[in-house]
Amino acid sequence: DAKTTQPTSMDCAEGRAANLPCNHSTISGNEYVYWYRQIHSQGPQYIIHGLKNNETNEMASLIITEDRKSSTLILPHATLRDTAVYYCIVRDSLSGGSNYKLTFGKGTLLTVNP
Amino acid sequence: NAGVTQTPKFRVLKTGQSMTLLCAQDMNHEYMYWYRQDPGMGLRLIHYSVGEGTTAKGEVPDGYNVSRLKKQNFLLGLESAAPSQTSVYFCASSDGTGREKLFFGSGTQLSVL
Repeated sequence: DAKTTQPTSMDCAEGRAANLPCNHSTISGNEYVYWYRQIHSQGPQYIIHGLKNNETNEMASLIITEDRKSSTLILPHATLRDTAVYYCIVRDSLSGGSNYKLTFGKGTLLTVNP
Repeated sequence: NAGVTQTPKFRVLKTGQSMTLLCAQDMNHEYMYWYRQDPGMGLRLIHYSVGEGTTAKGEVPDGYNVSRLKKQNFLLGLESAAPSQTSVYFCASSDGTGREKLFFGSGTQLSVL
């Protein structure tokens, strides 16, 4: 699976949009981009995933560049409860066996300030 | 619908003691996973299972054993606990369709003295 690079930490003001970048320059054609987050002392929570097109759900939007080498997770109106570590993960969803696991790196600590 | 439930939530062991962590899911998921998370680190996969009766090693399997006798349960065993196994343990499950989401439990904080 391709490696991802994320900033260690970011700050955001409450009510503003939080834009979390992820670099995955070695991504291959059949690899998806997944985002999870982990609020302190809790298990990770799935947010969104995508392949090529931009995606939106009730939690966030995912913007993937045309060359797919980077992506941005957007929380449109960040709240204090969005303070968490955000993980960007790239993996191949088409192969079987052990590739069904996701590899979590250190992620980005997003702190939403009042 | 409880999702993924882990028991116990906290445990303190002495070096050399054994214990079993239980993970139960009620979503009829095929795949289940055990991760550990150490301070400042991401999650590391210990063992996983792609169906009832199957298990496989992940990144850091040494010192742990697992069993998946029933589809809904995935047990993680420590036969002889060591201080290096002090960690937070997370169980997860997924439906195994290939583009699935992982659903995580709330974790077990284990301290080995």
